[in-house]
Amino acid sequence: EDKVVQSPLSLVVHEGDTVTLNCSYEVTNFRSLLWYKQEKKAPTFLFMLTSSGIEKKSGRLSSILDKKELFSILNITATQTGDSAIYLCAVVYNTDKLIFGTGTRLQVFP
Amino acid sequence: DGGITQSPKYLFRKEGQNVTLSCEQNLNHDAMYWYRQDPGQGLRLIYYSQIVNDFQKGDIAEGYSVSREKKESFPLTVTSAQKNPTAFYLCASSIDPQSTDTQYFGPGTRLTVL
Repeated sequence: EDKVVQSPLSLVVHEGDTVTLNCSYEVTNFRSLLWYKQEKKAPTFLFMLTSSGIEKKSGRLSSILDKKELFSILNITATQTGDSAIYLCAVVYNTDKLIFGTGTRLQVFP
Repeated sequence: DGGITQSPKYLFRKEGQNVTLSCEQNLNHDAMYWYRQDPGQGLRLIYYSQIVNDFQKGDIAEGYSVSREKKESFPLTVTSAQKNPTAFYLCASSIDPQSTDTQYFGPGTRLTVL
């Protein structure tokens, strides 16, 4: 069965901390992995990863994919209260299939 | 500005009634998708459409229907056959119908069935 598993389910940190969110997957014919940030409304796109070992970076956020071990991590350094959200991982596989993980709920307190 | 709009933002309906959720995009995207999100679960695909006048069932299509008469519009009808319709519904679109790599999402509609 194709699946995407995110961990932890929930994370509570203080401002300034660094967090690492995990996403592991088991799918046939992997194509790409996507990270989204969801606040009170629709998810917003963060990164798309297709190649192993190449880090994608945007400000304090970075992400990397390991296609051998079938996982990706999303790092957030120097967290701020505005980083509080649900972070969703999604995997594109076969020709046009997309499966989402359940998300990691991050809460950042001042 | 280009984007995807969904309406209404909140919707309340009585059990047994059909209800239609609107999704419009002016991005000139060929592909459009409907997802539902439930607490503690990831987004699940209901229906998708790769081109006008064509659509396919997703993973949880039972109790739903769609139409794609125009490129910019992909309305979703939640029928009375849907056993647990209360959820948050997200519409998305993408440029390339052969690829779901980058999808752009609408703001969502929260449906509550009383």
